[in-house]
Amino acid sequence: DVKVTQSSRYLVKRTGEKVFLECVQDMDHENMFWYRQDPGLGLRLIYFSYDVKMKEKGDIPEGYSVSREKKERFSLILESASTNQTSMYLCASSPFSGTTYNEQFFGPGTRLTVL
Amino acid sequence: ELKVEQNPLFLSMQEGKNYTIYCNYSTTSDRLYWYRQDPGKSLESLFVLLSNGAVKQEGRLMASLDTKARLSTLHITAAVHDLSATYFCAVSHPYNFNKFYFGSGTKLNVKP
Repeated sequence: DVKVTQSSRYLVKRTGEKVFLECVQDMDHENMFWYRQDPGLGLRLIYFSYDVKMKEKGDIPEGYSVSREKKERFSLILESASTNQTSMYLCASSPFSGTTYNEQFFGPGTRLTVL
Repeated sequence: ELKVEQNPLFLSMQEGKNYTIYCNYSTTSDRLYWYRQDPGKSLESLFVLLSNGAVKQEGRLMASLDTKARLSTLHITAAVHDLSATYFCAVSHPYNFNKFYFGSGTKLNVKP
């Protein structure tokens, strides 16, 4: 069974703190993604990664960075958290794009509040 | 940038009724995905539609894709309370299948 896990379900941080969100998948997927979900805006892509040490900016990368040192793990870093980064963060993974379905599988999400 | 619009954004319906959720997108794409999200939970994949005219059905839900009209529909037949959730459509970028663009979601409430 496909499994994507995220390190925390809920997180409260203060403005200016450095925040790490961790995501692990056990499907041996090449691709991993970080989204944020806000009411009325759907999901917006922050960063994605095709392979270890590879990363590509999504639509809203400002204020975020990522790290992928191992195939199964993809980290999202908020260098200096701000209140407008309060949101639900969802991690996803998918197999290599050459496969037919290329479906993304999502983790349970981390609800981050920045005070 | 590829834009995806869903409507309606909110849908309140009685059990037993039929209804359709629409998903329009702005740029040619051959791949469309439907997801379901229950409150406080993550997204669960429902359907993957890969070609023009594709139709898939699971229980009371049926999804279809018209790539020429850039439109997908999610039809609900004889709704039941258990279908209450938020439904998202997502379209993959025409040249980069890995990159998805999501609609805003349709929050469905099925009243007993």
